[in-house]
Amino acid sequence: AQTVTQSQPEMSVQEAETVTLSCTYDTSESDYYLFWYKQPPSRQMILVIRQEAYKQQNATENRFSVNFQKAAKSFSLKISDSQLGDAAMYFCAYRHWGTYKYIFGTGTRLKVLA
Amino acid sequence: KAGVTQTPRYLIKTRGQQVTLSCSPISGHRSVSWYQQTPGQGLQFLFEYFSETQRNKGNFPGRFSGRQFSNSRSEMNVSTLELGDSALYLCASSGTGRDTDTQYFGPGTRLTVL
Repeated sequence: AQTVTQSQPEMSVQEAETVTLSCTYDTSESDYYLFWYKQPPSRQMILVIRQEAYKQQNATENRFSVNFQKAAKSFSLKISDSQLGDAAMYFCAYRHWGTYKYIFGTGTRLKVLA
Repeated sequence: KAGVTQTPRYLIKTRGQQVTLSCSPISGHRSVSWYQQTPGQGLQFLFEYFSETQRNKGNFPGRFSGRQFSNSRSEMNVSTLELGDSALYLCASSGTGRDTDTQYFGPGTRLTVL
């Protein structure tokens, strides 16, 4: 069975600094998608970034980028120039391309210090 | 485009009762998934519906059921409520093309079982 592990329950970062959130996953499949979702205190979950496993190039969305290491089954999220609005729970998620069942990690709470 | 909507936003029930939660996906989206979110367990996948058919199912007891209507709106039902069912229930929809690979979440329904 596939699993997603986020080993950092909580992280802190100074405003304008860079922070990296870790995620590892376990799967025997070769075709899948990986996601980072953000859940601010208001609870609406929003997509931050997605990565297709077949793509070697790391995905980037403005200040957010990933380091996707397929062989190591690692999918970390880097947030550059952190802003107060980045404070939230961040969830890493996996989905095998052939199914529509998403598996989420337990989340990392990010605090941004002014 | 309007986002995913869920009703009601808050519910208080007592043990033994049943409850029905509703989810309206983004217009044009045909896939609807349900998740249970608790502080200790994170997001746990309940089930996913596509074109009125349950396509994927998580590991929850039969007290948890769902359905999807022809307009893609979905309902989730929990019968014989237990204290442990207290959670945030999230609904997410997926569309076509690139949207097929990404879930968009609603704000959730906070269920409290007394």
